[in-house]
Amino acid sequence: GAVVSQHPSWVICKSGTSVKIECRSLDFQATTMFWYRQFPKQSLMLMATSNEGSKATYEQGVEKDKFLINHASLTLSTLTVTSAHPEDSSFYICSATRDRNTEAFFGQGTRLTVV
Amino acid sequence: GIQVEQSPPDLILQEGANSTLRCNFSDSVNNLQWFHQNPWGQLINLFYIPSGTKQNGRLSATTVATERYSLLYISSSQTTDSGVYFCAVDFIQGAQKLVFGQGTRLTINP
Repeated sequence: GAVVSQHPSWVICKSGTSVKIECRSLDFQATTMFWYRQFPKQSLMLMATSNEGSKATYEQGVEKDKFLINHASLTLSTLTVTSAHPEDSSFYICSATRDRNTEAFFGQGTRLTVV
Repeated sequence: GIQVEQSPPDLILQEGANSTLRCNFSDSVNNLQWFHQNPWGQLINLFYIPSGTKQNGRLSATTVATERYSLLYISSSQTTDSGVYFCAVDFIQGAQKLVFGQGTRLTINP
């Protein structure tokens, strides 16, 4: 299967600071990347969909000014959590697909703790 | 609205037992995938199966698209099979995004 790498695996930051998470498709070009959030003992909730070179599409209830997504190339998407607060602490996971009707592959996830 | 429902929510078995996990979905699909989430949170791809039957070792899956369900079979369970199993669906009417079910937490006791 294809490889999606996410970095960092975990991060602790102070309240009010910003954190950037990277998602890379290592061996394929991803036309679309997705960002999910998962709270303890819950399922994955889609936050946004990003296509290379265009603005991300955010799910209802997700603040686009707080969760900045940049899809700079066909192999890299970044999620920046701006002015982080303790309630933003969560597990963030990215995924990537070559195109529709193909298998999606997931990164290892990033555990964010805001103190 | 579009929905993905998994059952059972929790399943506890002894090592060596067989198990069947179910995923019901509310509409026609482009894509259906099964994942195993390990204790570190990594999602492991098990099957990409919008229709038909596939097998991989002790695991197999069947999707009956016309009846809107998919089944994941695990035979001769091992303790390493423990974890959460997710079904995720990309609906034809949707916007190319995987919608996840709530998962089945499987515990295999030695």
